[in-house]
Amino acid sequence: GENVEQHPSTLSVQEGDSAVIKCTYSDSASNYFPWYKQELGKRPQLIIDIRSNVGEKKDQRIAVTLNKTAKHFSLHITETQPEDSAVYFCAASIRAGGTSYGKLTFGQGTILTVHP
Amino acid sequence: NAGVMQNPRHLVRRRGQEARLRCSPMKGHSHVYWYRQLPEEGLKFMVYLQKENIIDESGMPKERFSAEFPKEGPSILRIQQVVRGDSAAYFCASSPPQGFHEQYFGPGTRLTVT
Repeated sequence: GENVEQHPSTLSVQEGDSAVIKCTYSDSASNYFPWYKQELGKRPQLIIDIRSNVGEKKDQRIAVTLNKTAKHFSLHITETQPEDSAVYFCAASIRAGGTSYGKLTFGQGTILTVHP
Repeated sequence: NAGVMQNPRHLVRRRGQEARLRCSPMKGHSHVYWYRQLPEEGLKFMVYLQKENIIDESGMPKERFSAEFPKEGPSILRIQQVVRGDSAAYFCASSPPQGFHEQYFGPGTRLTVT
């Protein structure tokens, strides 16, 4: 089955700096890669996702890049703010045929702390 | 448009009791997924259901755990004869019938087994 590895496990940055979180996956059939932000005691929130036919996607201060050959994808947060502090999870799934099937396999999470 | 609803938010059970967790998907969503999150760990897939059908239960423990998503009403994750190791946060997520299966999560049920 799919295995997703996420690094680093903790990341501490100063406000205004950039933060990068990296994930690798094992199943070359995976074609959908979402990122979730989870604040303490709260639900995981979808913040951005990328599909395998795209190499990069950006939404304001957040961007995700995908390298299918290397089976590697990354989350980039620019101009970090204290409210960006949370646990970030990457995930991978497979869309089979014309269905919307897609159980998510998650990475282990990265605790991001942004210091004012 | 209400988001994914779960209840109860907190559930305390003694060892050997049964736990029933409920999940109502977002309006228009017909796919439900259950995930378990142990303290300070990531989310692990348990089961994927559509109305009246279990599509994938490969992440579900073979014993004591069951799930259903009836034609009417919420999806239910049932844990029989709970043990301390079942203490965790249980999240459900829903996705629409079309599209690329973006999954939106509920607030979770935090189960504590004493």
